[in-house]
Amino acid sequence: EDQVTQSPEALRLQEGESSSLNCSYTVSGLRGLFWYRQDPGKGPEFLFTLYSAGEEKEKERLKATLTKKESFLHITAPKPEDSATYLCAVQAGGGSTLGRLYFGRGTQLTVWP
Amino acid sequence: GAGVSQTPSNKVTEKGKYVELRCDPISGHTALYWYRQSLGQGPEFLIYFQGTGAADDSGLPNDRFFAVRPEGSVSTLKIQRTERGDSAVYLCASSLSGTGGSPLHFGNGTRLTVT
Repeated sequence: EDQVTQSPEALRLQEGESSSLNCSYTVSGLRGLFWYRQDPGKGPEFLFTLYSAGEEKEKERLKATLTKKESFLHITAPKPEDSATYLCAVQAGGGSTLGRLYFGRGTQLTVWP
Repeated sequence: GAGVSQTPSNKVTEKGKYVELRCDPISGHTALYWYRQSLGQGPEFLIYFQGTGAADDSGLPNDRFFAVRPEGSVSTLKIQRTERGDSAVYLCASSLSGTGGSPLHFGNGTRLTVT
């Protein structure tokens, strides 16, 4: 069965302390891996799509990378406003299930001043 | 431009009642999705529309749940005979297409509480 696992479940960082979040996946025929940010009471906000192993995307203090089995979201010199839950999702396979995303449980990031 | 709009933002209902949740997607997006999110969990797939038709409804938990998208734009998720276990945040998302890694754009959800 397709599965997406995120670690750690929660991460506390001091402002400026860089770290990485992990998303490991087991799917057949990856079509895309997505990172989202979710603030309390809000819907997930799209950050990145990665399509193939070796691909990297960057946005401000965030950088996402992809291998054949996992993705990392690197956070460089985080600020308190980066505090949120970060969700990873994969789109895979074909046929009628092609459209759906499989989500992990997320990593709750807290950055304190 | 306008994002995905969901109404109501909160809905409290009694066990056994019928509820309708509405989603207005981003203009021009052909694919529309419904997900359900419980506290501390990632979103769980319910149903996916491509245009007016349900391309994949395999995530609907049982026949009390039904969704429509009659004109290929606005969608309504309908839940009959609600149960306390239906309490969750119901998220709607849309994308330009349902294939090829097109990202989903989510609304802020409807928080459903069944008492």
